[in-house]
Amino acid sequence: AQKVTQAQTEISVVEKEDVTLDCVYETRDTTYYLFWYKQPPSGELVFLIRRNSFDEQNEISGRYSWNFQKSTSSFNFTITASQVVDSAVYFCALSEAGPSGTYKYIFGTGTRLKVLA
Amino acid sequence: SQTIHQWPATLVQPVGSPLSLECTVEGTSNPNLYWYRQAAGRGLQLLFYSVGIGQISSEVPQNLSASRPQDRQFILSSKKLLLSDSGFYLCAWRPGQGSGANVLTFGAGSRLTVL
Repeated sequence: AQKVTQAQTEISVVEKEDVTLDCVYETRDTTYYLFWYKQPPSGELVFLIRRNSFDEQNEISGRYSWNFQKSTSSFNFTITASQVVDSAVYFCALSEAGPSGTYKYIFGTGTRLKVLA
Repeated sequence: SQTIHQWPATLVQPVGSPLSLECTVEGTSNPNLYWYRQAAGRGLQLLFYSVGIGQISSEVPQNLSASRPQDRQFILSSKKLLLSDSGFYLCAWRPGQGSGANVLTFGAGSRLTVL
């Protein structure tokens, strides 16, 4: 079965520090998709990025960057020069083909990031 | 554009009482719909998903049930709540057609406290 592991339960950093959130996944599929979501204190999950299994290029979006490595089944997320507004719970997810042509989305347990001023 | 609505936003219920959480999606047809639960300090647990009216798949056998009476309506119910049902319930949708690349879009969530 598919599985997503986020071993870091909680991370605290001081503002302007860089921080990396780890995500390790397990899948038997050769084609799969990975996602990162942010959950601010309000509770609603916000989509950040999607990556497919055939694209191992790292991606950068402003202060955010993602490192996808199939060899280690990891999809890590780095925030550069962290800010207080980055404080949130971050989830990594993997989509899995289910019956009837649909897809299930398996989430990790999340990493709570606290950025201190 | 598509929007997803969940209500109520917060709910405090006594043990043994019934539950009904509702989710609706606007601006799309035949979406795949999902219910997730987030217990305090824990990750997102997939409860139910649906590919169409009356079609419900259950991931975790428990005290809850789901129904999809209309194409864009997804309801989470319980006949008798347990203390362990407390949590944050999130509804989500994705386009019915397409691959696993489709992004799940979440509602604002419903926070349930069972006393």
